[in-house]
Amino acid sequence: DTEVTQTPKHLVMGMTNKKSLKCEQHMGHRAMYWYKQKAKKPPELMFVYSYEKLSINESVPSRFSPECPNSSLLNLHLHALQPEDSALYLCASSPGTYNNEQFFGPGTRLTVL
Amino acid sequence: AQTVTQSQPEMSVQEAETVTLSCTYDTSENNYYLFWYKQPPSRQMILVIRQEAYKQQNATENRFSVNFQKAAKSFSLKISDSQLGDTAMYFCAFIEGAQKLVFGQGTRLTINP
Repeated sequence: DTEVTQTPKHLVMGMTNKKSLKCEQHMGHRAMYWYKQKAKKPPELMFVYSYEKLSINESVPSRFSPECPNSSLLNLHLHALQPEDSALYLCASSPGTYNNEQFFGPGTRLTVL
Repeated sequence: AQTVTQSQPEMSVQEAETVTLSCTYDTSENNYYLFWYKQPPSRQMILVIRQEAYKQQNATENRFSVNFQKAAKSFSLKISDSQLGDTAMYFCAFIEGAQKLVFGQGTRLTINP
C-alpha cells in the first residue's frame, strides 16, 4: 500500500459544528503532516507529527486540534471554524523527519458556512 | 529563512512540445533536497522528481528531467514530449533538515491539443 487516504472528500459545516478530518497511511512512515491549501496557492504547513508526537505547530488557531492516535492515523478536529477556514486540507506522510520526500493524500475540501 | 521562487505563474504549450519550468531557491546550507510536485485539477499532489544537492548528476524520470545548478541555486524542470495529462499546477519545493517542506508559489501549466 503506497498511498495516503483521507476522509471525507468533501465537508460542509456551520460555524458552530464540530467535525473531524481523518488521514491514514500504511507505508510505515513515521512522520505525518497537515497542510491547508487555498485555491491557486501552495500548501501551508499546519502541524507535523514525528513518531506520534507533535513536533511542529505553525501557530495554528486552537479551533484546529490535531491528534495522532497511532503511527498510521492522523486526525484533525475542527470546532467553531470561520468562513475563511474554507480550503483544501491535505495530509501527507514521510518515512522519517530528515530530508525526506512527502507523500500527499487527495485532500478534504472543507466549506464553512 | 529558506525561500523558493517560481517566476512563471502560468505557461501554455502545445502537445508534444518541450517546456521548461523555472525555480530558484535560497539557502545557506550545503545538504538539502529539491522536489517538483504536480497537482492536477483533480487536486492530488504527486511527486514528479527529486534531486539530492550532493549529487552532481541531474535527476531524470522518463519525460521529466531537471537542470540543477547548485552554485546558481537554480532547479528547473523540463518536460519533453508534453501530453494533455501534464496539465497541472507544478510546485517546486525544498527541504533542508527536518520536516519543513518549503514550496514555491507554483506554475500553472496548460498543455493544449
